[in-house]
Amino acid sequence: ILNVEQSPQSLHVQEGDSTNFTCSFPSSNFYALHWYRWETAKSPEALFVMTLNGDEKKKGRISATLNTKEGYSYLYIKGSQPEDSATYLCAFPMDSNYQLIWGAGTKLIIKP
Amino acid sequence: ETGVTQSPTHLIKTRGQQVTLRCSSQSGHNTVSWYQQALGQGPQFIFQYYREEENGRGNFPPRFSGLQFPNYSSELNVNALELDDSALYLCASSRQGAGEKLFFGSGTQLSVL
Repeated sequence: ILNVEQSPQSLHVQEGDSTNFTCSFPSSNFYALHWYRWETAKSPEALFVMTLNGDEKKKGRISATLNTKEGYSYLYIKGSQPEDSATYLCAFPMDSNYQLIWGAGTKLIIKP
Repeated sequence: ETGVTQSPTHLIKTRGQQVTLRCSSQSGHNTVSWYQQALGQGPQFIFQYYREEENGRGNFPPRFSGLQFPNYSSELNVNALELDDSALYLCASSRQGAGEKLFFGSGTQLSVL
């Protein structure tokens, strides 16, 4: 059974501080690793899709790294702002049909 | 705005009834995936449609069925509703491929009483 684990489950961070959280996934049969941000009352929004071991992606203050050999990805947020408050989800294609299985998410709350 | 629209946004049904949820896909996308999302969990994959054919299915019973139309919009049908079917139903359109981002609609919140 394939499983995607995210930690921590929730995180309170002071505005201006930097933070990071983890997504763990099966290291065999790797296709890609997806990160999404889900703000309250909105749709999940794609942040990154990473396909190569050692990949690093950046979007503004948010960046992600990927280690396919050990099966983990980190998401970093630099200088957290209130608009970063959201649930961050990672997802892993489970088979050659590329259907995604999802972690339960990390809920990030930025304290002003 | 993703260009993916879902209807209705909210729905209340009673146990045993049937429901149809609809999803438009974004222009240029040929794949629609449906997910069920319960509180505190990640989205659970229901099924995926690619070029009007079912292209994989998650661990959901046959009373969950779907369709994809020539314009790549899609429907999710649930028969014989159960209380546990109460959830947020999300659809996502994409191109086919592991490296393709999903573009989500806002979801349909289904309550079964």
